[in-house]
Amino acid sequence: EAQVTQNPRYLITVTGKKLTVTCSQNMNHEYMSWYRQDPGLGLRQIYYSMNVEVTDKGDVPEGYKVSRKEKRNFPLILESPSPNQTSLYFCASGLRDRNSPLHFGNGTRLTVT
Amino acid sequence: DQQVKQNSPSLSVQEGRISILNCDYTNSMFDYFLWYKKYPAEGPTFLISISSIKDKNEDGRFTVFLNKSAKHLSLHIVPSQPGDSAVYFCAASAGLGNTPLVFGKGTRLSVIA
Repeated sequence: EAQVTQNPRYLITVTGKKLTVTCSQNMNHEYMSWYRQDPGLGLRQIYYSMNVEVTDKGDVPEGYKVSRKEKRNFPLILESPSPNQTSLYFCASGLRDRNSPLHFGNGTRLTVT
Repeated sequence: DQQVKQNSPSLSVQEGRISILNCDYTNSMFDYFLWYKKYPAEGPTFLISISSIKDKNEDGRFTVFLNKSAKHLSLHIVPSQPGDSAVYFCAASAGLGNTPLVFGKGTRLSVIA
């Protein structure tokens, strides 16, 4: 089954404790992206990647890192999480054709205390 | 500055009637528009799209209308069904290579049986 898999689905952590949210897709998509969803703000892009070893900042990249060492994986790294990073995170993938719809994972709900 | 605006946070419609979800954009470079649907605890899923060379695209019960002069698009669902109850996101992209999608804040549709 074609899918985007995020782990974990839920995560509660404390301020400053490094964490990684994994994202993997099995559709051989070149394009991958991370979004955060917050009440009243919709989906905001954090980082995206057009291909292996190519990453770019989105609208809200501060406090986040990503890497794209393999085509299928695009982990989101929070080196020193803060409470304002409490949010619902979505990973997405798609073809490089911008008119190709994105496929989203089921989300990771992160709480930073 | 919000480039894609969904000014109605919520909409309630009776089953069998028409649902109309609206979206406005400010960036005249946007030339491709998509609608995504999101159920609770799931990621957004692609619903329908439209290119700026068209003013209408239809897929079953779903029709998207584009008014370029007004920088406005709308999603019509006819007839509305209880299973259509979800959050709907409007998204847009510009003809600048692989420019990422810009999402609106979403409209929560409730279809009442």
